[in-house]
Amino acid sequence: DTEVTQTPKHLVMGMTNKKSLKCEQHMGHRAMYWYKQKAKKPPELMFVYSYEKLSINESVPSRFSPECPNSSLLNLHLHALQPEDSALYLCASSQSGGPGELFFGEGSRLTVL
Amino acid sequence: EDQVTQSPEALRLQEGESSSLNCSYTVSGLRGLFWYRQDPGKGPEFLFTLYSAGEEKEKERLKATLTKKESFLHITAPKPEDSATYLCAVFTGGGSNYKLTFGKGTLLTVNP
Repeated sequence: DTEVTQTPKHLVMGMTNKKSLKCEQHMGHRAMYWYKQKAKKPPELMFVYSYEKLSINESVPSRFSPECPNSSLLNLHLHALQPEDSALYLCASSQSGGPGELFFGEGSRLTVL
Repeated sequence: EDQVTQSPEALRLQEGESSSLNCSYTVSGLRGLFWYRQDPGKGPEFLFTLYSAGEEKEKERLKATLTKKESFLHITAPKPEDSATYLCAVFTGGGSNYKLTFGKGTLLTVNP
């Protein structure tokens, strides 16, 4: 069983909705990540929270906004999404923001209608 | 620009038929290479980390090796449950500027 827990596992939303994806890790890691993965493609980095500092992939649109309430929680707020945002959203954590294994959650499957 | 290329894109094996997956990379400042297994609709599952050329890691039927230009994931006597997409990723950079670059993966199918 993964120690990175993502909820919900599935989410269907309209383009005018506001929703959130939640991620919690139980390993005492100091870095957490959001990735987006389309079918048959590798994961693409969206955001990194490492030691309370946020790093953003500049190609990510502002309709996605991360929130890190504490070092074990990372949320992804979704607003005014487009159908092309439908994908598997993966949360991951690592011991630090440096070179080291990333441990992924099982993902949240998002469908935007 | 860092590049990670995995081959083949897809591989179909019979149960018990050993083979290898390749991950070749062109990066500056390799800090580590990771192998992941991903089942459909699930998050990647960590398998191995390799840090330096000549390093090898083993786990059950899997063995990962690393050279200065590529890594191999050897699968010995595979079983149907080994069917999955295998992802390679390289960690580069330094200071506060690390980067993880994934390959596109190899879809492995093992038939009984």
